[in-house]
Amino acid sequence: DARVTQTPRHKVTEMGQEVTMRCQPILGHNTVFWYRQTMMQGLELLAYFRNRAPLDDSGMPKDRFSAEMPDATLATLKIQPSEPRDSAVYFCASGTPGTRGEAFFGQGTRLTVV
Amino acid sequence: AQSVTQLGSHVSVSEGALVLLRCNYSSSVPPYLFWYVQYPNQGLQLLLKYTTGATLVKGINGFEAEFKKSETSFHLTKPSAHMSDAAEYFCAVSPLSGGSYIPTFGRGTSLIVHP
Repeated sequence: DARVTQTPRHKVTEMGQEVTMRCQPILGHNTVFWYRQTMMQGLELLAYFRNRAPLDDSGMPKDRFSAEMPDATLATLKIQPSEPRDSAVYFCASGTPGTRGEAFFGQGTRLTVV
Repeated sequence: AQSVTQLGSHVSVSEGALVLLRCNYSSSVPPYLFWYVQYPNQGLQLLLKYTTGATLVKGINGFEAEFKKSETSFHLTKPSAHMSDAAEYFCAVSPLSGGSYIPTFGRGTSLIVHP
């Protein structure tokens, strides 16, 4: 059963610490999205990769957030330093041009910054 | 630019009643359209999608949606609500051209089902 895998599922950290979230997209999917979900803002697109290249990261605070795809099976989202306002659920999703924008979501990483 | 508006952040129905969740989009050309469902502590999963062809689309769990170009709408319906339908529902659009296929999501509608 092909699925997007995200780790960790939950993370509690202190303000100022570095946080790294990982995502394994579905094998064969060459498009990866990072979304952040909060009650106030809903689902926000943070970054978008195609064939491991970042095509759009305009939704990401550049001073503290970074997203990379070291290889086709791993995407990472890093926050350094973390702040309480970063508390949210972070979702990774993958797809292909053939799926016409259908995104296959992971179960998310719930981040709490205290 | 495209956008999605979901009318009503919360919809409450009785078990067995009709479910209607509204979605309107704004796009220069008719886009691809999707409905997703999110259960507590889960990711989003696809309910149904419209790409081309028949404008009435059937999905999982008895849901269906109709694409109405003249109304720029893609409302989600289910004839009879079940307790297990209680969840958050998201409408999304993806551009028909340009090659980016970045989905834009609405704010979501929480469906509450009363016994």
